[in-house]
Amino acid sequence: SQQGEEDPQALSIQEGENATMNCSYKTSINNLQWYRQNSGRGLVHLILIRSNEREKHSGRLRVTLDTSKKSSSLLITASRAADTASYFCATESGGSNYKLTFGKGTLLTVNP
Amino acid sequence: DTGVSQDPRHKITKRGQNVTFRCDPISEHNRLYWYRQTLGQGPEFLTYFQNEAQLEKSRLLSDRFSAERPKGSFSTLEIQRTEQGDSAMYLCASSSFGAGEQFFGPGTRLTVL
Repeated sequence: SQQGEEDPQALSIQEGENATMNCSYKTSINNLQWYRQNSGRGLVHLILIRSNEREKHSGRLRVTLDTSKKSSSLLITASRAADTASYFCATESGGSNYKLTFGKGTLLTVNP
Repeated sequence: DTGVSQDPRHKITKRGQNVTFRCDPISEHNRLYWYRQTLGQGPEFLTYFQNEAQLEKSRLLSDRFSAERPKGSFSTLEIQRTEQGDSAMYLCASSSFGAGEQFFGPGTRLTVL
């Protein structure tokens, strides 16, 4: 079953704009991860944030985590056409044997 | 390229046939996972190996599905008596002990006619 739910389901922006995607989940977690998927490269890990962290940065990516609201957001700044892809949040929960539970994803289109 | 590889990349089969997919993880990774992804959905967990031991199987994995990881290296996923509902992308991922990040292969797209 899907644990995370991304919002919005689809997002279309112009190159140079920022893109924000949100993820909500249902159970307590060890960590939350964001992955990108496009037809050319498959699923690629972007960033991992642990349950005791609130914010993390990696290049143009900023992730926040609010465990009290069971939600996370992914911000991509200064977007590029190459950022066009589906973005998934995935949670790893306690005692889960490290399996990931993915949401349905947000389809991001960055128009040049 | 030392990433996760999967073979074949595409498989078209007729209903009722058996199919087998192979996954070669990153060599130093002791954890291996299989996921299934259908159109418009995120990947769903199927099964997990630590070394050669299969430690968890999802309820999605009916008795027609079997997975092995002999000697803790490559893994195979076999589907017997395929059904049209088995059509999906089958993804393999691997990770090292203590790491949360999983490295995914390109997937095997199965089409059952």
